Amino acid sequence: AQSVTQLGSHVSVSEGALVLLRCNYSSSVPPYLFWYVQYPNQGLQLLLKYTSAATLVKGINGFEAEFKKSETSFHLTKTSAHMSDAAEYFCAVSFSGGYQKVTFGTGTKLQVIP
Amino acid sequence: EAQVTQNPRYLITVTGKKLTVTCSQNMNHEYMSWYRQDPGLGLRQIYYSMNVEVTDKGDVPEGYKVSRKEKRNFPLILESPSPNQTSLYFCASSPPLAGENPKTQYFGPGTRLLVL
Repeated sequence: AQSVTQLGSHVSVSEGALVLLRCNYSSSVPPYLFWYVQYPNQGLQLLLKYTSAATLVKGINGFEAEFKKSETSFHLTKTSAHMSDAAEYFCAVSFSGGYQKVTFGTGTKLQVIP
Repeated sequence: EAQVTQNPRYLITVTGKKLTVTCSQNMNHEYMSWYRQDPGLGLRQIYYSMNVEVTDKGDVPEGYKVSRKEKRNFPLILESPSPNQTSLYFCASSPPLAGENPKTQYFGPGTRLLVL
């Protein structure tokens, strides 16, 4: 069965520092991978997705993620954290080529310290 | 404005009293899904629909029903709610092809349900 594991339920970074949120997936076939962000008391917003094209995917708000098949990873990064990045981030996987059947990770809460 | 709407946003009910949470999208999307979000568990997919009259189970379908009679609507039905269905529920819609534009899936604002 497909699954994703997010390492670290809470991550704290200083404003201006590198953001690194980890995601590893389990899959026997090439997956589609997604990162979502959820701001407090809001719904989810898609940050970026990997669909078997370029392995380095750029998303919104300066985030990017790199698909590494050998490591079964899809870590999310941002070079310089901003206070507005404080939110919960979810990694997700799908084999269906779209959003039909999606399995989410348990989430990582990002705290940005001024 | 492209949006997914859910109603009600908040609901307190009692065990066994049937309820329906509505979901509607105005983007003519084929795909729609329901998720529940619980602390420490992330989001889990309940049901999804690939088009009118086409629905399938997600990871946690027990205790829920859905229907897709019209493209824009995808209601979630709890025939006999139980306290373990207390959760935050999200509806989402998307077109069939993922494409390269990251803003291709839309989530509703969520429905917070408490079953006593």
